[in-house]
Amino acid sequence: EPEVTQTPSHQVTQMGQEVILRCVPISNHLYFYWYRQILGQKVEFLVSFYNNEISEKSEIFDDQFSVERPDGSNFTLKIRSTKLEDSAMYFCASSERGQGALGNSPLHFGNGTRLTVT
Amino acid sequence: AQKVTQAQTEISVVEKEDVTLDCVYETRDTTYYLFWYKQPPSGELVFLIRRNSFDEQNEISGRYSWNFQKSTSSFNFTITASQVVDSAVYFCALKGSGGGADGLTFGKGTHLIIQP
Repeated sequence: EPEVTQTPSHQVTQMGQEVILRCVPISNHLYFYWYRQILGQKVEFLVSFYNNEISEKSEIFDDQFSVERPDGSNFTLKIRSTKLEDSAMYFCASSERGQGALGNSPLHFGNGTRLTVT
Repeated sequence: AQKVTQAQTEISVVEKEDVTLDCVYETRDTTYYLFWYKQPPSGELVFLIRRNSFDEQNEISGRYSWNFQKSTSSFNFTITASQVVDSAVYFCALKGSGGGADGLTFGKGTHLIIQP
């Protein structure tokens, strides 16, 4: 069964450095998402992406973050100048359809990338 | 390896009916945590509940109730007197006590449609 894959599973970086989290969504999916889960807290929505542009983003997703679909398969989350509070599990997800008025399409999540900022 | 199975891909009921969403999990951890999340059309994941593996007491919150049974590795979610606003995708998730990815293992979600 197709699945969303994320690499790396764990990344350690120093404060102030830039990191890129990578995701390969399911091939026929058109909507892509990043979620974040700070340890011990709920999963938080960061951003959704469709047709090569951001569809929706939360207040967490400020100028420090950016997303890109550099080719036909990868979907990346870049975090510039990382801070200690960026330490979290970042989940990528994809879906066939969007989450709007036409109806939900279940999200398929990756297993996450654990980002540790030291 | 941890696994969460939500066998019901989609459920459709008429408003005011009761509905139960099934969740079966697998884990080798003796201590673990179970979650339910709601995903409304706006796209965010809304946290509903978290249960510890050592606490099997069922919980009721308004129209929501959860039935946790360790013997069958199930953590089912019931909505009574369903309402149209309950329409969403619901995710069950599992978190082990540590090791490996140490994140939430989500089920694939159940799309609940409440028809007026």
